[in-house]
Amino acid sequence: AQRVTQPEKLLSVFKGAPVELKCNYSYSGSPELFWYVQYSRQRLQLLLRHISRESIKGFTADLNKGETSFHLKKPFAQEEDSAMYYCALAGGTSYGKLTFGQGTILTVHP
Amino acid sequence: GAVVSQHPSWVICKSGTSVKIECRSLDFQATTMFWYRQFPKQSLMLMATSNEGSKATYEQGVEKDKFLINHASLTLSTLTVTSAHPEDSSFYICSATQATGTGGDEQYFGPGTRLTVT
Repeated sequence: AQRVTQPEKLLSVFKGAPVELKCNYSYSGSPELFWYVQYSRQRLQLLLRHISRESIKGFTADLNKGETSFHLKKPFAQEEDSAMYYCALAGGTSYGKLTFGQGTILTVHP
Repeated sequence: GAVVSQHPSWVICKSGTSVKIECRSLDFQATTMFWYRQFPKQSLMLMATSNEGSKATYEQGVEKDKFLINHASLTLSTLTVTSAHPEDSSFYICSATQATGTGGDEQYFGPGTRLTVT
């Protein structure tokens, strides 16, 4: 069974501070991991995926298979980063089925 | 970019009636669509996977006779909540992907449909 855990339901930081949203997963095979973001009154959208190894809006995430983690990081948070963030996992043979974590609400204060 | 729409955006129905929710991919062909349910302040729970021209695959615990899914074309999937009850009140979200295969395909999400059963 695959599982995604986001231990923090709420995370508050001040503008300019570093931010890290934690994500741990449980999966026996080689997972595909994603971060999705949902801004206020908007639909869920893909932020980044681990296979791309890219930085989007200043966010990065590294897959650590040893720790089964895929934490999302940004060195300097901005107010517009305030949103709900979901970590998600897709198994290799699951035809795109995503298992979502519980989500973390990030609030960046001015 | 790829856009997915849902209709209606919100619906109120009486207990015992059925309600249909549409999910459309507007500018791409979606071979696979997914239906999720989201309770307030909770995560998305996958209900079923819908492939064009074949029967939907339901997740464990989801009643297929209650939540009827039809994926009749490459741009349209429908979810019908039959004999709705107040406990079916929820936010239903669909997503679509352009290709079947391994899990690396990006899913494009609809805006969701708020269902309230009175």
